[in-house]
Amino acid sequence: DVKVTQSSRYLVKRTGEKVFLECVQDMDHENMFWYRQDPGLGLRLIYFSYDVKMKEKGDIPEGYSVSREKKERFSLILESASTNQTSMYLCASRPTGRVYNEQFFGPGTRLTVL
Amino acid sequence: DQQVKQNSPSLSVQEGRISILNCDYTNSMFDYFLWYKKYPAEGPTFLISISSIKDKNEDGRFTVFLNKSAKHLSLHIVPSQPGDSAVYFCAASPDSNSGYALNFGKGTSLLVTP
Repeated sequence: DVKVTQSSRYLVKRTGEKVFLECVQDMDHENMFWYRQDPGLGLRLIYFSYDVKMKEKGDIPEGYSVSREKKERFSLILESASTNQTSMYLCASRPTGRVYNEQFFGPGTRLTVL
Repeated sequence: DQQVKQNSPSLSVQEGRISILNCDYTNSMFDYFLWYKKYPAEGPTFLISISSIKDKNEDGRFTVFLNKSAKHLSLHIVPSQPGDSAVYFCAASPDSNSGYALNFGKGTSLLVTP
C-alpha cells in the first residue's frame, strides 16, 4: 500500500512565524504535490515537484516555498505565516507512467494561523 | 480559470436511491478523468477513473460516464448508502502518462439520508 504521511495533523501558529509542513511518501514516486483545501474553493495546487531539487509553481504559490532534497520528502514552507493561510494542507504523490495516474494523498494538516 | 467545474456544491439523496454527481471541463486536452472521495479531516481517496477512449467505467456500485463531445462526466452511485456521505471531487489530467498535477473541481458534498 502506498503511504503518504504528513508531519502534523493539526498545527497552530502565530502570524509572522515560519512554518514547515513535511510530507514523506514510501513508494518511490517521482512526483509530489502540495494543495490547500478551503470550503467552496476545492483543492488548489500550491507547488509540485517532478524530481529531486525540481519544483514548479502551481495555481497559488504566493507566500509559499518548497524544498525537495530527497525523493521521498517534499516540504512546504510558509516564510511568514498570515491568517489567510489558515487552511487544510494536503500532500500527494504520484508515479510517472501510463498505468498509474492517480495521486495518493496524505491525511492532511489543518493549519490555523492566529 | 477553473477548467474543471462541479456546479452543484451539495446533493442530498435517500439511502437506496441513485446519486448522480456531475462534472464539466473546458480543456479539450484532458484525456483522463478521476473521482476522489473525501471525508472530513482526511485526505482524498481515489474512487474511480476513466480514460477518454472509453465512455463508461464501472466498479461495483460506482459508474463513471464520459461524454467527450459535451465535455461532461458523471459519477453514478447505486444504491447510495449513508457511508457514501462525503465530498466528491472530479479531477482531470491532460495525459495519462504525464506526471503533471491533476486539475480538480470544487467538489460536491453528498449527503445520503437513511
